[in-house]
Amino acid sequence: DGGITQSPKYLFRKEGQNVTLSCEQNLNHDAMYWYRQDPGQGLRLIYYSQIVNDFQKGDIAEGYSVSREKKESFPLTVTSAQKNPTAFYLCASSPRGPSNQPQHFGDGTRLSIL
Amino acid sequence: AQTVTQSQPEMSVQEAETVTLSCTYDTSESDYYLFWYKQPPSRQMILVIRQEAYKQQNATENRFSVNFQKAAKSFSLKISDSQLGDAAMYFCAYRSADKLIFGTGTRLQVFP
Repeated sequence: DGGITQSPKYLFRKEGQNVTLSCEQNLNHDAMYWYRQDPGQGLRLIYYSQIVNDFQKGDIAEGYSVSREKKESFPLTVTSAQKNPTAFYLCASSPRGPSNQPQHFGDGTRLSIL
Repeated sequence: AQTVTQSQPEMSVQEAETVTLSCTYDTSESDYYLFWYKQPPSRQMILVIRQEAYKQQNATENRFSVNFQKAAKSFSLKISDSQLGDAAMYFCAYRSADKLIFGTGTRLQVFP
């Protein structure tokens, strides 16, 4: 079955440490997205990528970095510069461009500070 | 920039009754798409219904329907015959050419 796989499901970060969240999709979608969700809040866009080797900052990109070396993969690194990383992170993908096709979401990664 | 506003942080409904969740948006584009997503306690994001802005007819999916008022930039979700499994966070979303913009969500409680 086609879908989006996020790993790990739970992740703990020590102070000053970088951690990487994995996102893989086999839907053949060009566009991929990373969102952050704080408790009781909506989704805020961190980074997005429309094609391989290209990505754009979203609304809250500071303290995060991404890469898009393969169409299927869009890993997110939470750097030590992100002072409040505790949140739920969702990865999504969709066809590129204006479309009525919805974004498909992974099951999320919950990141906590040790 | 486009914005999406959900003015009801929480709503409640009795089982089998009808409830309407509000959503307004702001845009200068003429061609766009609107979505409602459901997020149950499992935190999965589940598509409920979608609406193309160029279509005047309101979308329906079983017990879920929308009231799309393009001129007023309003996109409300009506849930008929509410069920306990409908309890969740509901997010309204606007899709522009390259990204999806979400509202802050409405938490729906369903009472037996």
